[in-house]
Amino acid sequence: AQSVSQHNHHVILSEAASLELGCNYSYGGTVNLFWYVQYPGQHLQLLLKYFSGDPLVKGIKGFEAEFIKSKFSFNLRKPSVQWSDTAEYFCADLMNSGGYQKVTFGTGTKLQVIP
Amino acid sequence: NAGVTQTPKFQVLKTGQSMTLQCAQDMNHNSMYWYRQDPGMGLRLIYYSASEGTTDKGEVPNGYNVSRLNKREFSLRLESAAPSQTSVYFCASRGAGDAYNEQFFGPGTRLTVL
Repeated sequence: AQSVSQHNHHVILSEAASLELGCNYSYGGTVNLFWYVQYPGQHLQLLLKYFSGDPLVKGIKGFEAEFIKSKFSFNLRKPSVQWSDTAEYFCADLMNSGGYQKVTFGTGTKLQVIP
Repeated sequence: NAGVTQTPKFQVLKTGQSMTLQCAQDMNHNSMYWYRQDPGMGLRLIYYSASEGTTDKGEVPNGYNVSRLNKREFSLRLESAAPSQTSVYFCASRGAGDAYNEQFFGPGTRLTVL
């Protein structure tokens, strides 16, 4: 069964620190991987996505993610976080099966950035 | 384009009351989805509609019903609300063309059942 694991549930960083959030997926077929961000009280926003090609994907707000097929990983990174990056981050994997599109979300990582 | 819109934004119900959450999209997408988000559990699929006139159960359909009223609208109904249904509900639609493998989310409805 398709599954997505985010091992860091709560991360606290100081401003300017580097960020790496882990994401592992289980599905062995075609990958469609996403990172979403949810700011407090707001809806999900797409940060970046990977379908194929260059395994290093750049997204909005200075975020990037690296797809490593051998490790079934899609970790999110940012070289220098800001207080405004405080939010919850979700990794997701999308699988197409006939007319059905199933998106499996990780349980989320809450990031708190201390000024 | 407004994208995916949801009403209401907030709702408080008493146990046993019923209500309908509304969702609409103006992107001419075929497939639409209802998710619930609970702390520490990510988003879980309640129901989906692959196209106008069809609906299917997701992972957690118990206690819910849906209606795909037309291509734009996909509503979620709680017939007899329970405290376990306290959650944030997100509607989404599946993109087309280059965005075929992407879902677009609405702003969510925060529901509290007392």
